[in-house]
This record gives sequence, C-alpha cells and structure tokens, in this order.
Amino acid sequence: EAEVAQSPRYKITEKSQAVAFWCDPISGHATLYWYRQILGQGPELLVQFQDESVVDDSQLPKDRFSAERLKGVDSTLKIQPAELGDSAMYLCASSLVTDTQYFGPGTRLTVL
Amino acid sequence: AQSVSQHNHHVILSEAASLELGCNYSYGGTVNLFWYVQYPGQHLQLLLKYFSGDPLVKGIKGFEAEFIKSKFSFNLRKPSVQWSDTAEYFCAVTTGSARQLTFGSGTQLTVLP
Repeated sequence: EAEVAQSPRYKITEKSQAVAFWCDPISGHATLYWYRQILGQGPELLVQFQDESVVDDSQLPKDRFSAERLKGVDSTLKIQPAELGDSAMYLCASSLVTDTQYFGPGTRLTVL
Repeated sequence: AQSVSQHNHHVILSEAASLELGCNYSYGGTVNLFWYVQYPGQHLQLLLKYFSGDPLVKGIKGFEAEFIKSKFSFNLRKPSVQWSDTAEYFCAVTTGSARQLTFGSGTQLTVLP
C-alpha cells in the first residue's frame, strides 16, 4: 500500500537555527497538506497545496515558516529561525480530489 | 469557523468492554466526518468516514460511528474492545469546498488486558 514519506523522523535543534522537513506524497495525489501537532492536541493545518500552488497558508507563521512544492510532487517545510515554541510533530498528508487524507509518520521536532 | 469537541481526554477500559467516544462539531452546513486513529509509534490512520447516505458507518477493526445531524454528533463505537485498540482517537470534519480537516483534541484510549 502506497504511503506518504517524511524525513527526518526526528530532529533536535537549538533555537535560532534553521530546520527543514521533507514530504513525498502518495503518487498521483495532487493535494498536499502540512500540519503541526502539539502534544495533547489534534493536528492543525499550516499550509495546503494543490499541485504546486498554495491554496491556503493563512495559519502559517510567515515570518519564520516557509513551504514549497516546486514541481507539484514533493514538498519542503522550513523554519528559520526555530523557537522553543516550535517543538511539535510536523505531519504531512496528501489526498486525491476526495476528502480522505492520508498521513505520513511525521517529523518530531525538539528545539532546545 | 468550524470546531470539533471530543468530550473525553482519556478513557480506560478493560478488554471486552464496550466503547463509545463522543464527538461533536459546530457547523450548520454540509459536513464530511472522519475518525482517525494513532497507535503508539505509528502514524495517523483512517478508521472510518462519513460523506453521505446511511448515517451508520462501519470502519476497520470492528469500529462503527453514527452521524446524528440533529445533535451535530459523530460518536465512535465498538462493542468489545481489545488490548490492541489502545491508541489515540481523533475526530475530524471538513466543511464546504475547503476540504481542510479540523481535528478534535483527541481521546487517549487505554485498554487493560
């Protein structure tokens, strides 16, 4: 069964450093989502792509976060500079035109 | 904006007990409803979904959920839980054409052997 791939699985960094996360969606899925999940809470959407275009990034803290999906396939989420409050699980999901989203394993970020 | 409420943060049951996890949403229009499960150390997996039709939907591993429009609810049920059902369960909703998931805060289920 096809899965969403993410790397790295774990990332430890110091505050003020830059970090980047990568996501490869299920082949053929045009829609890609990045979520942030703080411990004890449900995932919250950061950004949504349709192919290479951003559909919604209203919840993305644009002063430090950026996301791209240059060729409409894989995607990178970057944080620069990282802050202590950014410690969380970062999830990627993808979907076809239906509403069902399939999630990757996530990247657990710890900012020291 | 829509919101999703899960009433129980942590539920502890013994094996073979029946399970019902509450989920309520706030949105007056057409909704699509989901339950996702996250087993320890694993990624979020779709348990079941409701788009339209029969309000009683069946998912994987013996789970089912009932959509009650008048109560804005989509409660998850299982008649007899197993130790392997220990996991965190998330209710989620999409509304309109946005196709963006809004999640509840999750319910941690612990099943004692």
